[in-house]
Amino acid sequence: ELKVEQNPLFLSMQEGKNYTIYCNYSTTSDRLYWYRQDPGKSLESLFVLLSNGAVKQEGRLMASLDTKARLSTLHITAAVHDLSATYFCAVVGYGGSQGNLIFGKGTKLSVKP
Amino acid sequence: EAGVAQSPRYKIIEKRQSVAFWCNPISGHATLYWYQQILGQGPKLLIQFQNNGVVDDSQLPKDRFSAERLKGVDSTLKIQPAKLEDSAVYLCASSPGTGQNEKLFFGSGTQLSVL
Repeated sequence: ELKVEQNPLFLSMQEGKNYTIYCNYSTTSDRLYWYRQDPGKSLESLFVLLSNGAVKQEGRLMASLDTKARLSTLHITAAVHDLSATYFCAVVGYGGSQGNLIFGKGTKLSVKP
Repeated sequence: EAGVAQSPRYKIIEKRQSVAFWCNPISGHATLYWYQQILGQGPKLLIQFQNNGVVDDSQLPKDRFSAERLKGVDSTLKIQPAKLEDSAVYLCASSPGTGQNEKLFFGSGTQLSVL
């Protein structure tokens, strides 16, 4: 059974600081997604990572994938308050249907001035 | 471009009652998904449609949950009868197809409270 673990689950950081959120998964996977969710809002797709060594960057967020270690990281550079949200990673099991994403529990990020 | 529309936004019912949720995906999107998100957890897939056919319903509690997507556009998800543990946010998502690179676009969800 594919399991996805994120850590930390809660992260309080100051503006301007850097930090990394980790996503481990238990079995081989085709691809990994990162989503952002604001309170009471829908999930917004941030990144899709498809291959070992994939790195994608958007603004202050950078995501990477190491399929051998079954690990993805979401790195936050010089955090700003607008990045406060819950971040989910999600994985599709190898050969699984595209929509059967297995989500982690999410990392609730709070960026304080 | 209009996003995925869901209604109602909130619903409060008593256990053993029935409830239905509605989803209108992004125009032209062939694939539609229903997810259940319990407080403090990530979403869990309940059912996936490709046009009006079911692709994956392995995690749908079929004794009480049902879903349909008539004409391959709108979809409804029904719970009958509801249990306390069904309290959650029900998210609908859509994607153009099932390609590897495709993103899922999520609606804002229906928050269900079962008392």
